[in-house]
Amino acid sequence: GIQVEQSPPDLILQEGANSTLRCNFSDSVNNLQWFHQNPWGQLINLFYIPSGTKQNGRLSATTVATERYSLLYISSSQTTDSGVYFCAGPPPGRRALTFGSGTRLQVQP
Amino acid sequence: KAGVTQTPRYLIKTRGQQVTLSCSPISGHRSVSWYQQTPGQGLQFLFEYFSETQRNKGNFPGRFSGRQFSNSRSEMNVSTLELGDSALYLCASSADRLAEAFFGQGTRLTVV
Repeated sequence: GIQVEQSPPDLILQEGANSTLRCNFSDSVNNLQWFHQNPWGQLINLFYIPSGTKQNGRLSATTVATERYSLLYISSSQTTDSGVYFCAGPPPGRRALTFGSGTRLQVQP
Repeated sequence: KAGVTQTPRYLIKTRGQQVTLSCSPISGHRSVSWYQQTPGQGLQFLFEYFSETQRNKGNFPGRFSGRQFSNSRSEMNVSTLELGDSALYLCASSADRLAEAFFGQGTRLTVV
């Protein structure tokens, strides 16, 4: 199966700072998604981004499928952004999502 | 539109027992997938159902099984529970097999 590597594993920011989270895939993936896991464990959809760039408020994401990576940008971070961010995608021909190990973000006031 | 609903939210079971978890997908979604999350192994795929048929299965022992009903609701069953089965079990639904996946709140299973 494919390998998904996320970096950095941990990130501590002051409120208002910007950050970039990265996701590398060992093989091509279809239908890459970014999630934020809340303190209760639910995975909240952030982006469904097979390729290109999307923006949603303070968050944006870019996927370069040909180079097998995706980036999640968080601008003007808030304490509510704290949590674990995951990227995931299924290999071609498969439906199962392969997840990275996540980036644990802590935003301090 | 209601989201993915998983029941129960929390469960405590004893080693050797069996457990059944339930997942109701978003209305109109026909694909349901199950994942296990543990601190050591992260998020791992268990199986996927589409139109009442298992389409994919992850690398888990046969003690883990599932099914999907005609209304797309899905259940997963774990028999002969082991301590290592303690985990957060997440269910995801999507409109079709390659569409965006949406997750439920999960069932946190503790085996004692």
